[in-house]
Amino acid sequence: DTAVSQTPKYLVTQMGNDKSIKCEQNLGHDTMYWYKQDSKKFLKIMFSYNNKELIINETVPNRFSPKSPDKAHLNLHINSLELGDSAVYFCASSRGLGIETQYFGPGTRLLVL
Amino acid sequence: GESVGLHLPTLSVQEGDNSIINCAYSNSASDYFIWYKQESGKGPQFIIDIRSNMDKRQGQRVTVLLNKTVKHLSLQIAATQPGDSAVYFCAENAGGTSYGKLTFGQGTILTVHP
Repeated sequence: DTAVSQTPKYLVTQMGNDKSIKCEQNLGHDTMYWYKQDSKKFLKIMFSYNNKELIINETVPNRFSPKSPDKAHLNLHINSLELGDSAVYFCASSRGLGIETQYFGPGTRLLVL
Repeated sequence: GESVGLHLPTLSVQEGDNSIINCAYSNSASDYFIWYKQESGKGPQFIIDIRSNMDKRQGQRVTVLLNKTVKHLSLQIAATQPGDSAVYFCAENAGGTSYGKLTFGQGTILTVHP
């Protein structure tokens, strides 16, 4: 029973391409997040959604567009991929906003060539 | 703070020893703190959390200590096992208008030798 799942696990693509990463949680949580982990293991939040509504939008290039079709799904679409987008992207979810434990997915390893 | 160096801090211990991993946080308004464990190739896994109205919380083999005066957090692992080898992150949540916004520390690599 995977609580937070992401697809694909690995993604290798050329610069300039457009790609999407999908995330699903079966925990019944209202809030979902996208984080980026760079090569130095630094984890930084990108976006959060609560009941399909955008809550947090950090300083992220507008080439990154999250979409939440329902509260169990939060997808990340990236346009015109750049070398610097290479990283591991983690989805997470929590019961709600505020002081709630966030549960992470297994990550999507993106390599832009 | 969000300091990122070329190398993560490392801690090497023998199996059975106790481990202490330290973390300095930057925001005095933070009211919730979490420790995560990240094994190679996996996502961060929740270990234990503590709210700012507490200074100590214990779990199974783990204890988190919070010193708000010096903005310091520590994770103690008792009887460390090889399966505890991982990168450990502290994270803080400032709450308020930063709902859900976790700020992560740079991580510490724990290696447990059998």
